[in-house]
Amino acid sequence: DAGVTQSPTHLIKTRGQQVTLRCSPKSGHDTVSWYQQALGQGPQFIFQYYEEEERQRGNFPDRFSGHQFPNYSSELNVNALLLGDSALYLCASSLGTRVGGYTFGSGTRLTVV
Amino acid sequence: EDKVVQSPLSLVVHEGDTVTLNCSYEVTNFRSLLWYKQEKKAPTFLFMLTSSGIEKKSGRLSSILDKKELFSILNITATQTGDSAVYLCAVASNSGYALNFGKGTSLLVTP
Repeated sequence: DAGVTQSPTHLIKTRGQQVTLRCSPKSGHDTVSWYQQALGQGPQFIFQYYEEEERQRGNFPDRFSGHQFPNYSSELNVNALLLGDSALYLCASSLGTRVGGYTFGSGTRLTVV
Repeated sequence: EDKVVQSPLSLVVHEGDTVTLNCSYEVTNFRSLLWYKQEKKAPTFLFMLTSSGIEKKSGRLSSILDKKELFSILNITATQTGDSAVYLCAVASNSGYALNFGKGTSLLVTP
């Protein structure tokens, strides 16, 4: 039973570029949440997708956008990259609203130069 | 604004020691408090606490929640080098779907 799969694992981008990160949820899960974890910090909530809709959004600018597909997989897009966007981006999947049932992926390490 | 504060931020102990990690919170409409262990990248779930005063245990790890004083502790007894990790505390509220994380406690267990 596959857990949460994220791709790519590492990525280096230049300021101003755009990036797309991908997440496949654990089998049986229908909800995907994205978190940004800067070095030495705890994860910060970006947004959550359920039934292909953004259900809740954290305190992140519109440069951060997402999508959920009918198979429950999800993408996180970041436009006009800033140096401060360098972080570990974690995807977590769950069934419905059960936060205790979160399964995290291993993340995508994004470096903006 | 909701707040989760963990202490200490880092800790170095010897194998066999007992450690206590702290998490205090200010959250509107509290639902649950969760502990995660993050060794490299993916946080792994340890405990979820919703009721005050009830200890959750798993092997050498245990945790308890005090909803009156708004804090939780995570205890690890007879520490091993494999316990070295960042321990994250997170709080969920009934007002939304997000987890609000603290900065984490970085634990290093030396042989």
